[in-house]
Amino acid sequence: EIVMTQSPATLSVSPGERATLSCRASQSVSSNLVWYQQKPGQAPRLLIYGASTRATGIPARFSGSGSGTEFTLTISRLQSEDFAVYYCQQYNNWPHPPLYTFGQGTKLEIK
Amino acid sequence: EVQLVESGGGLVQPGGSLRLSCAASGFTFNSYSMSWVRQAPGKGLEWVSAISGSGGTTYYADSVKGRFTISRDNSKNTLYLQMNSLRAEDTAIYYCAKEGQVAVRSFDYWGQGTLVTVSP
Repeated sequence: EIVMTQSPATLSVSPGERATLSCRASQSVSSNLVWYQQKPGQAPRLLIYGASTRATGIPARFSGSGSGTEFTLTISRLQSEDFAVYYCQQYNNWPHPPLYTFGQGTKLEIK
Repeated sequence: EVQLVESGGGLVQPGGSLRLSCAASGFTFNSYSMSWVRQAPGKGLEWVSAISGSGGTTYYADSVKGRFTISRDNSKNTLYLQMNSLRAEDTAIYYCAKEGQVAVRSFDYWGQGTLVTVSP
């Protein structure tokens, strides 16, 4: 099973600043990497797929990069609505179960 | 507008059974693979099971294989998860999620979730 590890567990950043979140895979997942945002009491929301492509309606301040085992989600000029938990997910294992594995999440909080 | 609405959650004793449903609308249901993803209280996301658009192919996480069964009724635009031999560690919010059209192998729409609590 491919294990996804996110760091840090909690990131404190001031509004208007940049946030950099990391996701590492236990083995190469090529560019088969997705990022989601989840706010309290809500379902996850798709942000980035294919490691670097923004989903429909996602603001340009969200960007993804990386390939292989190291990935980064960058949020430039943080806004109040960006404070949430972020998860990475790999799908390189498809079609062999587990099809998808998630990281444990990074909580982005207001400094 | 795509909508996914889960139902069927509740309190069940260990060893019991429950069937979850997910009513879909706003897209051509039989064209998309669907998954169930769960989230234990205060924890992260765990993929549980997936089913192809036709329903002919199913996949399971090892943690639920042999106990859970995913199915779909494309005439009713509904996804199901039959959960048997439930354990305390199955306690979670269960989300149904639609696979993306462009964002393949990612989940572009999620339901609001239904809470399953396994407790004596």
